[in-house]
Amino acid sequence: SQQGEEDPQALSIQEGENATMNCSYKTSINNLQWYRQNSGRGLVHLILIRSNEREKHSGRLRVTLDTSKKSSSLLITASRAADTASYFCATDIGGSNYKLTFGKGTLLTVNP
Amino acid sequence: KAGVTQTPRYLIKTRGQQVTLSCSPISGHRSVSWYQQTPGQGLQFLFEYFSETQRNKGNFPGRFSGRQFSNSRSEMNVSTLELGDSALYLCASSLEAGKNIQYFGAGTRLSVL
Repeated sequence: SQQGEEDPQALSIQEGENATMNCSYKTSINNLQWYRQNSGRGLVHLILIRSNEREKHSGRLRVTLDTSKKSSSLLITASRAADTASYFCATDIGGSNYKLTFGKGTLLTVNP
Repeated sequence: KAGVTQTPRYLIKTRGQQVTLSCSPISGHRSVSWYQQTPGQGLQFLFEYFSETQRNKGNFPGRFSGRQFSNSRSEMNVSTLELGDSALYLCASSLEAGKNIQYFGAGTRLSVL
């Protein structure tokens, strides 16, 4: 079963606007990551936030993590048409049986 | 540095056949993980290999198997294919086992007719 659930499932915005995607998960985690996937291709790692961190920035990306609510958000500022993709959150619980558990993703469309 | 390479990119098989997919990790990466992506179930973890040993396995039937060679290249095999095995199969590599950031290949699109 999926650990993370992204919200919304689809988001359509205009270039220059900000895009916010949310992810909720069910169990305690070690880390949470966000990945991007362009149209059925491989995933590209965007950012990782550890369970003891609350916010992280990378370029136009801002990620927050609220472990009490078991949720995270990804903000993309000043969006571009090239940001059009599916975005997935992925969690791990650490330990010897390490694996990433993905949500179902948010499809972001940025209209020029 | 070359990225993760998966071959073939596309495959068409019929029910009951078997298939082998290949993954070459980034040079120096020793851990390889496999994921299945379908519209209905999303991305699901299949297994992880490190130093030719399977470290972790997802909730898939025994028809799904894999192995890793001494050069860290990995293969996964699906026997007795079913229609529901149609999916994008993604391979990811990381430097060491249990390391957080994984680098994905472009995937192999398998269609079972």
